[in-house]
Amino acid sequence: EAQVTQNPRYLITVTGKKLTVTCSQNMNHEYMSWYRQDPGLGLRQIYYSMNVEVTDKGDVPEGYKVSRKEKRNFPLILESPSPNQTSLYFCASSLNFGTGRFYEQYFGPGTRLTVT
Amino acid sequence: GQSLEQPSEVTAVEGAIVQINCTYQTSGFYGLSWYQQHDGGAPTFLSYNALDGLEETGRFSSFLSRSDSYGYLLLQELQMKDSASYFCAVRDRAAGNKLTFGGGTRVLVKP
Repeated sequence: EAQVTQNPRYLITVTGKKLTVTCSQNMNHEYMSWYRQDPGLGLRQIYYSMNVEVTDKGDVPEGYKVSRKEKRNFPLILESPSPNQTSLYFCASSLNFGTGRFYEQYFGPGTRLTVT
Repeated sequence: GQSLEQPSEVTAVEGAIVQINCTYQTSGFYGLSWYQQHDGGAPTFLSYNALDGLEETGRFSSFLSRSDSYGYLLLQELQMKDSASYFCAVRDRAAGNKLTFGGGTRVLVKP
């Protein structure tokens, strides 16, 4: 089954304790992206990756890191989480822009993060 | 930069038709897409318009007017399961390969 998986689905942590949210897709997609979703603010892009070893900032990258060492995986790293990073996080993937299927993003189930 | 505007909420009864408008401002437009998200779920892709006109997929249709920087999603024969949030999204040349989403329109379908 074609899918994007994220782990963990729920996480409660404390300020300053480094954490990683994993994302993996099995569709051989080049493009992967992280979003955060907050009430009233919609989906905001954090980072995206056009392919292995190619990453770039989205609209809200501060406080986050990413890496793309393998095509299927795109982990999101919070080196020193703060309460304002409490949010619902989604990973997504798609074929690259040149294919015309770029806009068909497949989303993971989401990770609800609470930082106290 | 980019900005998208869509209504925050729409209420309608089963069987009705709902139109969700999306106006955008970008410095170089590529295309407009629509996603559906049920409460507690992940967004799912509905449609994409790169050219002017109407794209129909079953009960849902999406329209784009590039000259007016405007698009809409049309939900026909509304069903209770259509109660969800709907987001428009754009990519523009100045933003590279970023995708920007609108704030979402919550559609509530009543019996």
